[in-house]
Amino acid sequence: GIQVEQSPPDLILQEGANSTLRCNFSDSVNNLQWFHQNPWGQLINLFYIPSGTKQNGRLSATTVATERYSLLYISSSQTTDSGVYFCAVVSAGNNRKLIWGLGTSLAVNP
Amino acid sequence: DVKVTQSSRYLVKRTGEKVFLECVQDMDHENMFWYRQDPGLGLRLIYFSYDVKMKEKGDIPEGYSVSREKKERFSLILESASTNQTSMYLCASSLNLPTDTQYFGPGTRLTVL
Repeated sequence: GIQVEQSPPDLILQEGANSTLRCNFSDSVNNLQWFHQNPWGQLINLFYIPSGTKQNGRLSATTVATERYSLLYISSSQTTDSGVYFCAVVSAGNNRKLIWGLGTSLAVNP
Repeated sequence: DVKVTQSSRYLVKRTGEKVFLECVQDMDHENMFWYRQDPGLGLRLIYFSYDVKMKEKGDIPEGYSVSREKKERFSLILESASTNQTSMYLCASSLNLPTDTQYFGPGTRLTVL
């Protein structure tokens, strides 16, 4: 089945820094979603982005489906950005469920 | 805003007990999901339901069952809890397709002693 790999696995930033998180997938996808899980465990959907670029405040995401990757940009990071960022895809061959990456754990220090 | 609630934030049970985890969503979503999350393993799908009384196995259904008698409520049942079921359990819902944007509850951290 399709494989989803996220990098880096861990990231530490100083407040105010920018970062790029990457999600690679091994096969064609119908959609891709980015999620943030805060330190208390709450998961929130950030983007639904099968292709193209979307922006929401300091966060933006770009998916290049033909090259099988997506990027999540965080600009001017804040301590509240800390947590785990997950990428999840829907395989073109099986559209019944999301396939999840293992996440990037981000710590933003004041 | 979509709200997904779970019956307990923390739960401690003994080996062999029957455990019920409840999830309720308030946005008339068709699909509901149960995941477990373990360190280093990410999120793994246990079961999902695409309609009342309809269910589909996920990746790790062994040792679990589910019930969806009403559209807004999805229950996860551990028939005989075991220590290897100690985990964080996350419930989610989505509007029309299982792969639409998923909205998550706050999670239940279950410890089986």
